[in-house]
Parts: sequence; structure tokens; C-alpha cells
Amino acid sequence: QITLKVSGPTLVKPTQTLTLTCTFSGFSLSTSAEGVGWIRQPPGKALEWLALIYWDDDKRYSQSLKSRLTITKDTSKNQVVLTMTNMDLVDTATYYCAHRTPVNAFDIWGQGTMVTVSS
Amino acid sequence: QSALTQPASVSGSPGQSITISCTGTSSDVGSYNLVSWYQQHPGKAPKLMIYEVSKRPSGVSNRFSGSKSGNTASLTISGLQAEDEADYYCCSYAGSITYVVFGGGTKLTVL
Repeated sequence: QITLKVSGPTLVKPTQTLTLTCTFSGFSLSTSAEGVGWIRQPPGKALEWLALIYWDDDKRYSQSLKSRLTITKDTSKNQVVLTMTNMDLVDTATYYCAHRTPVNAFDIWGQGTMVTVSS
Repeated sequence: QSALTQPASVSGSPGQSITISCTGTSSDVGSYNLVSWYQQHPGKAPKLMIYEVSKRPSGVSNRFSGSKSGNTASLTISGLQAEDEADYYCCSYAGSITYVVFGGGTKLTVL
């Protein structure tokens, strides 16, 4: 059974860097074709894909946010970390991590964490 | 503005069928059979309902079906039930650069 859980701050100030950790179980990011993605959702708005990392350390980023995002993995800890620099009020959202299947779908999602950007 | 276009809302009565469209371009929906659909109830994480255009994950009701024609994918829910009331999002692979795009979401109301 695959589970994912997001941890990190609930409040950050403008211009700060956000660091979120996705801790997962039920699969290994050292196994071929496995991947973990990050998706966010501002209050009352649509889902927005942010980044993906695969078992072979292939990394993909949203083109609109690429300059601000970094995704890394720690296979030994079963964790994926997302950092987003220069946070702004518009980055206030629920941030989800999700398991990425080999057929490009997010089949299992973590519970999400609400991050508020405010001074 | 989302990359994939969905109607903001649809509605139907219990027992009826509804269809939600998801219009993309020849760079995403039209080029790949890698469209997925997600159901999201208020305050909950999204749930995968359809992948690879028309495949259902284990445990998803066969009342949910997907299809695609050209640059438009569709999700059909038959035999509407009250529990189907939720937001629905489509998602597509969009090539090696853009990679993943979501739709703007559709709110389904069961009357």
C-alpha cells in the first residue's frame, strides 16, 4: 500500500524559501519507472503541476516556475524534497505530493499541506 | 489560465449521465493517449478516476468512463449519484518540455 505525507511550514514570509518534504512508503524511488510529483492548489482554484522526480534522478519542472523550484530525492529515507525560492502572496496554496505511475498519472496523493505566505 | 479548458460547471439529476469535456491542443491531448481524470471532494486530496484516456484504476466504479477525440478528452459519469458531486480535473502529458498540464476544473452538481 502506497502512502505519502507532506511536511513543512504552514506559514512563510514573502521572499523566503519554502522547503517541503514528502515522506512515502509502499514503493522505492530506486525502482525503475517510479516517480514522485508535486502539485499545488490555491484556495478555490485549480490544480497546478510543479515538479517531478524519477527513479533515475530525471527531474522535470513547470516551465513557469522552473527558476524558483528544486526537487531532490533521498532514496535511503524514502523522501522527496521540494524547495521554492522567493515566495510571494500568490504562492499561498495547498501543496500535494503524489506517486507518479509509469503511464503518467498521479495514482496516490498525500493529504496535502496548506502553506500561507504572509508578512 | 489553465492549459486545458474545462467547463466551469455541469449538473445532472440522480440516475442521469453527464459528460465533462477537456480541450487541449495538438501538443498535449491531441498527441498523447496520456490523459487522466481526478475527482476532488471539498477539503480532500484528488483521487485518480481515469488514466490513459479510458482506463479505470482498481476500485473505481464502472459508471466512470473516458474517451478522446482529437484535442478533446471527455469524462462521462453514468447513473449519477449524490456522492459524485465534486470537482473534476483533467490532466495530460504535454511533451518533454511542458510535461504536465491540468485543466481548470469542473464543478459537478447533482441536483
